[in-house]
Amino acid sequence: GESVGLHLPTLSVQEGDNSIINCAYSNSASDYFIWYKQESGKGPQFIIDIRSNMDKRQGQRVTVLLNKTVKHLSLQIAATQPGDSAVYFCAQGPNRLAFGKGIQVVVIP
Amino acid sequence: NAGVTQTPKFQVLKTGQSMTLQCAQDMNHNSMYWYRQDPGMGLRLIYYSASEGTTDKGEVPNGYNVSRLNKREFSLRLESAAPSQTSVYFCASSPPNEKLFFGSGTQLSVL
Repeated sequence: GESVGLHLPTLSVQEGDNSIINCAYSNSASDYFIWYKQESGKGPQFIIDIRSNMDKRQGQRVTVLLNKTVKHLSLQIAATQPGDSAVYFCAQGPNRLAFGKGIQVVVIP
Repeated sequence: NAGVTQTPKFQVLKTGQSMTLQCAQDMNHNSMYWYRQDPGMGLRLIYYSASEGTTDKGEVPNGYNVSRLNKREFSLRLESAAPSQTSVYFCASSPPNEKLFFGSGTQLSVL
């Protein structure tokens, strides 16, 4: 999961394995949750979002799970590829999105 | 499809100098945002504008001013730059309560 500090937590994943990235959020009033991917030197790029009336949403190779009871959000990436290496951020809304500090995902060929 | 365009991409300032970061979006979004990103700190909201003519402070507004010039453009001004403002700055835009679209960032160094 995400944590404070100057150094990003890192998740190392073997190419082809599934990745699970976890995020604990603080504001129980939030009704919108989103995952972003940021590659080095680029702006954050939208991956997938989910609203609080859902607990699961699937995209292409990605699934977001929302557990409102324990205020936990996770991102699952199926068959991780080298192009998935990046920093991943969770954020909660609405409107003024509050971002987590990010997790570095490293895909090992 | 330009999306969100930020200029400049890189800038070096001396302490006390001023500058304006420019941002424009071509997606007809009402809301626009300025974030800063520091190592290990994630993205922190500086200012945002819910619609043309309105601006509001975010989490870290001190030392910055903004102008929502029109629906397309949202600029960020540093009146007297300080080393603590060395960071990567991102502009973003969105429809109400929807995902944000980010620009490619401005890397600013204040010496």
